[in-house]
Amino acid sequence: AQSVTQPDIHITVSEGASLELRCNYSYGATPYLFWYVQSPGQGLQLLLKYFSGDTLVQGIKGFEAEFKRSQSSFNLRKPSVHWSDAAEYFCAVGANTGFQKLVFGTGTRLLVSP
Amino acid sequence: EAGVTQFPSHSVIEKGQTVTLRCDPISGHDNLYWYRRVMGKEIKFLLHFVKESKQDESGMPNNRFLAERTGGTYSTLKVQPAELEDSGVYFCASSQWTGGMNTEAFFGQGTRLTVV
Repeated sequence: AQSVTQPDIHITVSEGASLELRCNYSYGATPYLFWYVQSPGQGLQLLLKYFSGDTLVQGIKGFEAEFKRSQSSFNLRKPSVHWSDAAEYFCAVGANTGFQKLVFGTGTRLLVSP
Repeated sequence: EAGVTQFPSHSVIEKGQTVTLRCDPISGHDNLYWYRRVMGKEIKFLLHFVKESKQDESGMPNNRFLAERTGGTYSTLKVQPAELEDSGVYFCASSQWTGGMNTEAFFGQGTRLTVV
């Protein structure tokens, strides 16, 4: 069965510092991978996705993620965090045939300190 | 273009009452999904519509939950009777088929349901 692990429940980063959020997945075939963000009072917004090809994918708001098949990981990174990045981040995996059903991790809440 | 819209944004009901959540997907999206997040846990799939047909309802918790999508447009999720453990945030999402594959899902802002 598919599963997603986000080992960090909370992370605090200073504004301007770099960020890496961890995501590990379990899936038997080539996965479709996603990162979503939920800002306070907002819905889930897609940051980026990996379907195939280049394993380093660029997303919105300056985020990027790298797919590493050997480590079953899809970590999210940002070189310099802004206070507006404070939110909850969700990693998800979808079935290869059309990802009609997303399996989410438990989320990582990012706090940004001044 | 309007995104996925959910009503209401918040609902507080007493145990045993009935609540109906509504989702309006992005126009033209045949696929509609319901997900739920109970406090502190992961977001979990409930069911998937393709147009008006239920494609996969394997995530529905029990028969107190009824989802409909009449006419293949908006969808409703009814909880009757509500129990305390039904509290959580209910998300709706939609996607479309393009070029023989599914696009990513676009999510609404969620409905926060509190059963007291």
